[in-house]
Amino acid sequence: GAGVSQSPSNKVTEKGKDVELRCDPISGHTALYWYRQSLGQGLEFLIYFQGNSAPDKSGLPSDRFSAERTGGSVSTLTIQRTQQEDSAVYLCASSAIQGFTEAFFGQGTRLTVV
Amino acid sequence: AQSVSQHNHHVILSEAASLELGCNYSYGGTVNLFWYVQYPGQHLQLLLKYFSGDPLVKGIKGFEAEFIKSKFSFNLRKPSVQWSDTAEYFCAVSSGNTPLVFGKGTRLSVIA
Repeated sequence: GAGVSQSPSNKVTEKGKDVELRCDPISGHTALYWYRQSLGQGLEFLIYFQGNSAPDKSGLPSDRFSAERTGGSVSTLTIQRTQQEDSAVYLCASSAIQGFTEAFFGQGTRLTVV
Repeated sequence: AQSVSQHNHHVILSEAASLELGCNYSYGGTVNLFWYVQYPGQHLQLLLKYFSGDPLVKGIKGFEAEFIKSKFSFNLRKPSVQWSDTAEYFCAVSSGNTPLVFGKGTRLSVIA
């Protein structure tokens, strides 16, 4: 596609439910990142994928968070047993070469846990 | 681990005023530096980037930034802001084999 696509754009879920957030990066981009944006907290790094290398999961806040990237393209971020503090905008970005080229961001998924 | 500090949380300027937003990073090696902007209701987009060479880099919409290695700084400047510059600005750093790390952002409000 022309840009990074994320779905859904908004998600309201009940505390304790699992959610899946999807990211479709720009075709051919080898690097894919997930960030969490909360008011006043900037962009918190969660995880990134670079080609076929093992993902860097160092930013995941707890073992309730996990992510996959299938076939080097689409990625899914899963949050299990959601908590109210998980409410935030989840942003996905991709770049042609990690760290050396511009990262293009999607519009994000606004997650609200009630 | 890398970290990025943006000291100004919220800056309010009148149109035509000059802008300087501070950014400091902590990392001892070679870094790539970025400024991103997020206009209200829009996604993040790149303003400018520094990889090597001239430490004064120019970006879109009249923005520029200067890399001062000795101060671990990459401050963003614009000589004369416009109302349309109202947005949130994020500084980011990467060392190439580490993830892109962002600061907490600075909200700029430009008033007429």
